[in-house]
Amino acid sequence: GAVVSQHPSRVICKSGTSVKIECRSLDFQATTMFWYRQFPKQSLMLMATSNEGSKATYEQGVEKDKFLINHASLTLSTLTVTSAHPEDSSFYICSARDRLAGGSNEQFFGPGTRLTVL
Amino acid sequence: KQEVTQIPAALSVPEGENLVLNCSFTDSAIYNLQWFRQDPGKGLTSLLLIQSSQREQTSGRLNASLDKSSGRSTLYIAASQPGDSATYLCAGSGNTPLVFGKGTRLSVIA
Repeated sequence: GAVVSQHPSRVICKSGTSVKIECRSLDFQATTMFWYRQFPKQSLMLMATSNEGSKATYEQGVEKDKFLINHASLTLSTLTVTSAHPEDSSFYICSARDRLAGGSNEQFFGPGTRLTVL
Repeated sequence: KQEVTQIPAALSVPEGENLVLNCSFTDSAIYNLQWFRQDPGKGLTSLLLIQSSQREQTSGRLNASLDKSSGRSTLYIAASQPGDSATYLCAGSGNTPLVFGKGTRLSVIA
């Protein structure tokens, strides 16, 4: 149980294009999902918290107009990198909390999406 | 704001050795402490989750402890194997998203 998928697993795009990454909770419902970014040899940095049916909460320094987050259902959140540039190349990982997990704050992680912007 | 520090940044040991990875956190109001493994270019594999009411968790050759009062957690790996080579991340949360340390890169030499 508690499986989170991401699609695509890898994407290469030209500078200036937009890329959408999907994060799905496969066997549970998630009112809250999180998006992290990891640069080479660095740790995971939280970008934003995605809440079902409401606006995402962005961490300081993350441009909300560049990284569009939509959490339209209890099992799907999407991250769109708009007008991507080479400096956006990174490993993007999502996670989700089980709505029915009670007091547990455990986060289940997707396998990540490697974005390369040429 | 929670900050997580991991020491050492890198560790190389011969096969069969027992080892300890250290993690410290600044906010003692921690709710969960999780240890993850990450292989190069891959996502995260959750190893152990310790909730605030717990002191330790064990899974096979792995044992993780949590001491909230001192702001520390340790991951003990017994009888290390080359397949244990990876980066180990600890992460803590209050009623907030997980905050990650920078990880310890472990190499187990056959």
